[in-house]
Amino acid sequence: DGGITQSPKYLFRKEGQNVTLSCEQNLNHDAMYWYRQDPGQGLRLIYYSQIVNDFQKGDIAEGYSVSREKKESFPLTVTSAQKNPTAFYLCASSMAGVGVNTEAFFGQGTRLTVV
Amino acid sequence: AQSVTQLDSQVPVFEEAPVELRCNYSSSVSVYLFWYVQYPNQGLQLLLKYLSGSTLVESINGFEAEFNKSQTSFHLRKPSVHISDTAEYFCAVGGYQKVTFGTGTKLQVIP
Repeated sequence: DGGITQSPKYLFRKEGQNVTLSCEQNLNHDAMYWYRQDPGQGLRLIYYSQIVNDFQKGDIAEGYSVSREKKESFPLTVTSAQKNPTAFYLCASSMAGVGVNTEAFFGQGTRLTVV
Repeated sequence: AQSVTQLDSQVPVFEEAPVELRCNYSSSVSVYLFWYVQYPNQGLQLLLKYLSGSTLVESINGFEAEFNKSQTSFHLRKPSVHISDTAEYFCAVGGYQKVTFGTGTKLQVIP
């Protein structure tokens, strides 16, 4: 079945450590996105990529990094520079386009807890 | 620039009663509007979308939303809710290369 797979579902890390969240899709979508979800704040865009080897900062990119070496994969690294990394992280993909008029498909999310 | 406002963070409603979840948007480009639903600890699923044409759009499970350009709104309605509709609902606007989401409305259906 086609879809987006995020792993792991739950992740615990010590403060000061970098951690990488995995996101893989087999929908043949060009565009991929990372969102952060916190209670009462909705989804905030961290990074997005419209094509391989290219990505753009979203609204809250500080303390995060991404790569897009393959069309299917868009891993997110939460660095030690991110002041408050504990959150629910969602990866999504969609058909690319200048105007986003197609639905986004979401993974099941990764809940990151930093202690 | 684009933004989405969902004024109600929580909406409690009795089972079989009607419900309206409000959404207002602003966008400087062509407007594409979406409603997504999220169940606990899961990702979001598309509920319905407006791209063009008829301003009233419907989902397969009885929800509908109406695009109102003059009021810049895209409110979600259902005439009779079910317990299984308990979830968080997100309104979103599609713009240049990205989608912007609202802060979400938690719909709590009371038996």
